[in-house]
Amino acid sequence: GQSLEQPSEVTAVEGAIVQINCTYQTSGFYGLSWYQQHDGGAPTFLSYNALDGLEETGRFSSFLSRSDSYGYLLLQELQMKDSASYFCAVRFPTGYSTLTFGKGTMLLVSP
Amino acid sequence: DAGITQSPRHKVTETGTPVTLRCHQTENHRYMYWYRQDPGHGLRLIHYSYGVKDTDKGEVSDGYSVSRSKTEDFLLTLESATSSQTSVYFCASMAEYRGGNTEAFFGQGTRLTVV
Repeated sequence: GQSLEQPSEVTAVEGAIVQINCTYQTSGFYGLSWYQQHDGGAPTFLSYNALDGLEETGRFSSFLSRSDSYGYLLLQELQMKDSASYFCAVRFPTGYSTLTFGKGTMLLVSP
Repeated sequence: DAGITQSPRHKVTETGTPVTLRCHQTENHRYMYWYRQDPGHGLRLIHYSYGVKDTDKGEVSDGYSVSRSKTEDFLLTLESATSSQTSVYFCASMAEYRGGNTEAFFGQGTRLTVV
């Protein structure tokens, strides 16, 4: 089956660095994406890794290692507004490009 | 931002009644998706579409049907609503970029309560 595992909750303080891991038990996917969702809002796209390695977008970076079946989202210089849920997602070529999400990690940033 | 809207935003309905949720996108995206979001379950795929009149089931499709008669519209129908279908429903469309990068754009969600 296709499954993505994420920690359910992570806590950190303002200004810190936090890493949210995503491990998966699947293969043959196109790439790993990350989405952010604030409470009551819609998910919004953060990053996409098609290839192994690190992708950096401002304070956020995402990493993928297909050989280790592992990826992570790195958030630097945390701000209160980063408190949200973060989802990893993979896009599979079977089934005409379905997009499957992990269950999400709730990040709580405290002062 | 991609223009993707859902209607209604909130709905309360009675058990056994049919319900249709609408998703409209203005970006000419090929792929569209319907998800439900429940506490502890994340986003679960109900149905998806890969073109006009081309749809397929996701992991939680029982009790739901979809239709896509135009590129811009993707309808989700609960054939006979049950309390277990109380949830927040999100529609998404996917942009495909050169190099294989993709980005999903989500509607604002529909909060459905079945009483």
